[in-house]
Amino acid sequence: EVQLVESGGGVVRPGGSLRLSCAASGFNFDGSAMSWVRQVPGKGLEWVSSINWNGGSTAYADSVKGRFTISRDDAQNSLYLQMNSLRGEDTALYHCARVGSSGYYSHFDSWGQGTLVTVSS
Amino acid sequence: EIVLTQSPGTLSLSPGERATLSCRSSQSVAGRQLAWYQRKPGQAPRLLIYGASNRATGIPDRFSGSGSGTDFTLTISRLEPEDFAVFFCQQYGSSPFTFGPGTKVDIK
Repeated sequence: EVQLVESGGGVVRPGGSLRLSCAASGFNFDGSAMSWVRQVPGKGLEWVSSINWNGGSTAYADSVKGRFTISRDDAQNSLYLQMNSLRGEDTALYHCARVGSSGYYSHFDSWGQGTLVTVSS
Repeated sequence: EIVLTQSPGTLSLSPGERATLSCRSSQSVAGRQLAWYQRKPGQAPRLLIYGASNRATGIPDRFSGSGSGTDFTLTISRLEPEDFAVFFCQQYGSSPFTFGPGTKVDIK
């Protein structure tokens, strides 16, 4: 069974940093592209970032480009999102999602429950 | 950026009824690279349909997807009590990958 468990969320002040982690199990992690998707409470879903199967290619939403960095550690079956220069509009529930192929131009076939990030002074 | 619009915003139906949800795109979605997800309160989103019409693993055949270009449809042939939720469409044919605002299907 595919399991994705996010951690690392919390309350942070504007301008601060946070590192999210996603522990993956139940599938061949090092063959899968992975993504982060967020949902602002009461609003829709927003794609944040994706990384291909070997970490050689990444993509970011314009709203986070230059501030967030996605990475992976296949030895640890883990996905990360380093978030710097956080803003109020980054407040959201952040989901880790498995992409349905080795490249990231594909659907999200499994999702974690999410970790909540709140940016507030 | 491709903008997805979903209609209606809310659909009030009874169990056993047919649900038809629409997703329209501001530009043609390359290769029918469109997915549908279901989200229930407190749960992670669940993939229902990918490639516009392919059911994901374990999804009952009462769920079906159709469409191409800029117009896509999710149909639930006969609503079961567990189907009441919010449904999102998403395109992954071009970056940034975008989601529609969602259609809530609630019990009439």
